This record gives sequence, structure tokens and C-alpha cells, in this order.
Amino acid sequence: QKEVEQDPGPLSVPEGAIVSLNCTYSNSAFQYFMWYRQYSRKGPELLMYTYSSGNKEDGRFTAQVDKSSKYISLFIRDSQPSDSATYLCAMDETGGFKTIFGAGTRLFVKA
Amino acid sequence: DVKVTQSSRYLVKRTGEKVFLECVQDMDHENMFWYRQDPGLGLRLIYFSYDVKMKEKGDIPEGYSVSREKKERFSLILESASTNQTSMYLCASSSELGTSGESTDTQYFGPGTRLTVL
Repeated sequence: QKEVEQDPGPLSVPEGAIVSLNCTYSNSAFQYFMWYRQYSRKGPELLMYTYSSGNKEDGRFTAQVDKSSKYISLFIRDSQPSDSATYLCAMDETGGFKTIFGAGTRLFVKA
Repeated sequence: DVKVTQSSRYLVKRTGEKVFLECVQDMDHENMFWYRQDPGLGLRLIYFSYDVKMKEKGDIPEGYSVSREKKERFSLILESASTNQTSMYLCASSSELGTSGESTDTQYFGPGTRLTVL
């Protein structure tokens, strides 16, 4: 079993929809949870970062961590065609040297 | 603005060739990383370096070596390229996020090098 599981998609939604992206993990020692966005032919860029459990909101994006269920989510409200990208979840115990990445979910937002 | 650059966007090499991939960051970061990215497998860590001349193996170091002679530059070397090393190679450097007690390193990625080994 992989340490981090992420549905690869693709996920196709109409413009304006609420998007839910999810990852599950098996290592209960993970404390740092990140979401990266990767546009085609580009490197990943950090979108959201959460320490331990709880919610974090940044504009149209909300990250949720449920450590009891080992489940993290990224919600995108009012999705735009410019949100079309691959979204990778990432997790770390501490120190940032052994970040584990999910395989990424490809998202398409149709105009 | 944060910048990580990689020497080539696309590279085609032949089996058995020695391949050098270069990465340069301009943020004075201590930590640098090399990953490969393959469909369905996500990002897998090959090597990382936390200081000049220091290196640590990641999850898949076999067939690779690295060199960090200067703080800003981290090189990945394929000693004898093989077809199963055809992949997207991503370099990253990291800095600290958050306040003390909640901090971790966030990684800034370069644009990637798509390597094809024939």
C-alpha cells in the first residue's frame, strides 16, 4: 500500500462548480500537509499548507485535514478554467526532507 | 521572485551515455532536491542535499549520483543512462514555512527536464 493515495482522475467540471480533491494516507506521524498545483509543462507550485488538523482558507481555496481519518481535502469554489491543472497533495513528518507526494489529480474546468 | 532553473527543458540521450542535469536556485536555500515524476507514481525523491558537499539518498537513488559544489547549484548525474530512466526530472529548493513550532520547509520547483533515453 502506498503511503499516500490520490485518485489520478481526470476530473472534469463546468466553470463555477465546487471542486473537491482528496488524499488518504497511512502514516499517522505526518503533521504537515500541502497542496501543490502543477500546470502542464511546469513544475509544481505550493498552493496551501496546513499544520496538523483543521481547516485553512485562502480565497477560493479551502484545505481540510482530518487526522483521525487520515484524510485531507482541497476545495475549490467558483472554479475557473485557469484552475485546470494537476493537483498534488504532499505530506511530511517534520523537517521537510522526506516529503511524500501523491500521484496527482488532473482537473479540467470547462468554460 | 523565487527562481529555480534547470539547464534543459527537453533532452534526448542514448543508452549508456553519461547525462548531467543542472539546477540553479537564486534564493540562498540550504536544501535542494532531485525528484523524478512518472504517471501514476507521483514525485519520487532521488537525492537531496542540506548543505554544500552534503548529500543524502532518497527513495530511488540507484543509477544516479549528485554533486553540490556550490550552494546555489545541484547536479544530477546518470552514470550510464538506461531506458527506464526516461522520465520528467524536477529540481526543488526549500525554505522554512510558518513560525517556530509549526514550521516546515516548503519546496520551490524548477520547470522540469523531460529526459528521453533511446
